[in-house]
Amino acid sequence: EVEVVESGGGLVQPGRSLRLSCVVSGLTFSDYAMHWVRQVPGKGLEWVSGIGSKNDHIAYAESVKGRVTISRDNAKNSIFLQMNSLRLEDTAFYYCARGGQLMLLAADWYFALWGRGALVTVSS
Amino acid sequence: SYEVTQPPSVSVSPGQTASITCSGDRLGDTYTCWYQQKPGQSPILVIYQSTRRPSGIPERFSGSSAGNTATLTISGAQTLDEADYYCQAWDGSSVVFGGGTRLNVL
Repeated sequence: EVEVVESGGGLVQPGRSLRLSCVVSGLTFSDYAMHWVRQVPGKGLEWVSGIGSKNDHIAYAESVKGRVTISRDNAKNSIFLQMNSLRLEDTAFYYCARGGQLMLLAADWYFALWGRGALVTVSS
Repeated sequence: SYEVTQPPSVSVSPGQTASITCSGDRLGDTYTCWYQQKPGQSPILVIYQSTRRPSGIPERFSGSSAGNTATLTISGAQTLDEADYYCQAWDGSSVVFGGGTRLNVL
């Protein structure tokens, strides 16, 4: 059974940093792109960032570009999201999701498996 | 920025067919995906590449696309299908989600 588990969420002050982690089990991790998608409680979904299966492609939403860095460690079946200069509007559940095998084709831009999410609360 | 539009809510009676649309001026040039999200739960992919159904998703869920509108159809909707449904597409540089449609089965 495939399992996606996020960690690292919590309460952080505006302007500070936070690092989210995601561990995936039950599949060949290095075969797939991975993504972060966030959701303000009670609101809709917003894609944050994605990384290719071999670290060969990285993309960010305009709303976080320059403030977040995505990375992955295929040896540990993990991806990470380093978030800096956090803002109040970054408060959300952050979901880790498995994508398709590539990130260069429209056909591969879907999110097949999701974790339960990590809540990040930015507040003073 | 690129946007796609969904109706805020759709209501059907149990056993009827529910159709949820997603419109965007470039949807005809890409693939659309659909996600189901129930309260307190993570989203679940129900349709990808506009028409394909992941394993484990019931056959009553189907997807179609014509022009700049994608449609999620639930044939013989059940009360357990009550949820929020989100469409999603990739415009070549970024991902866009629709605002979500609350499906009421009552």
